[in-house]
Amino acid sequence: GENVEQHPSTLSVQEGDSAVIKCTYSDSASNYFPWYKQELGKGPQLIIDIRSNVGEKKDQRIAVTLNKTAKHFSLHITETQPEDSAVYFCAASIQGVGGTSYGKLTFGQGTILTVHP
Amino acid sequence: NAGVTQTPKFQVLKTGQSMTLQCAQDMNHNSMYWYRQDPGMGLRLIYYSASEGTTDKGEVPNGYNVSRLNKREFSLRLESAAPSQTSVYFCASSELTGRTGELFFGEGSRLTVL
Repeated sequence: GENVEQHPSTLSVQEGDSAVIKCTYSDSASNYFPWYKQELGKGPQLIIDIRSNVGEKKDQRIAVTLNKTAKHFSLHITETQPEDSAVYFCAASIQGVGGTSYGKLTFGQGTILTVHP
Repeated sequence: NAGVTQTPKFQVLKTGQSMTLQCAQDMNHNSMYWYRQDPGMGLRLIYYSASEGTTDKGEVPNGYNVSRLNKREFSLRLESAAPSQTSVYFCASSELTGRTGELFFGEGSRLTVL
């Protein structure tokens, strides 16, 4: 089965700095890579995702890059703010042909991001 | 706009006791999932239901059973709880088909087995 490794496990940055979280996956058939943010006491929430036919995707201060050859993908957060402090999870799955989507995600171990004011 | 609702939020059991975690969604989603979250291990899929009337095992199904009661509700049952089942359990839902694979999670149920 799929295996997703996520690093680092903890990340501490100053407000305004950039943060980068990296993940590797094992199954070359995986084609959908979402990132979830989990705030204390809450369930994870999707913040950005990327499919294997795209190398990079941006949404305001966050971006995700994908290297299919190396089987790794990364989350980049620029101009970090204290409210970015949370646990971030990467995940991978195989989406079916025709746009069908399946929540059978394999998650990474999580990264605790702390942004100091 | 409730989204995904889980009950109970907290539960303490003794080894060997049974209990059922309840989950309901009001977004008319076809697919529902149960994940468990343990420190340093991320979230792992226990069972899922791609559509009403179907259920399938995920990565860690041993010791659990599920019931897709109707399109809205998906319950998780522990027949004989073990300390290894101490965890935070999350229910989630998603569209079966669509442009995105977004999962919508509940707020979790924290279970302690003594």
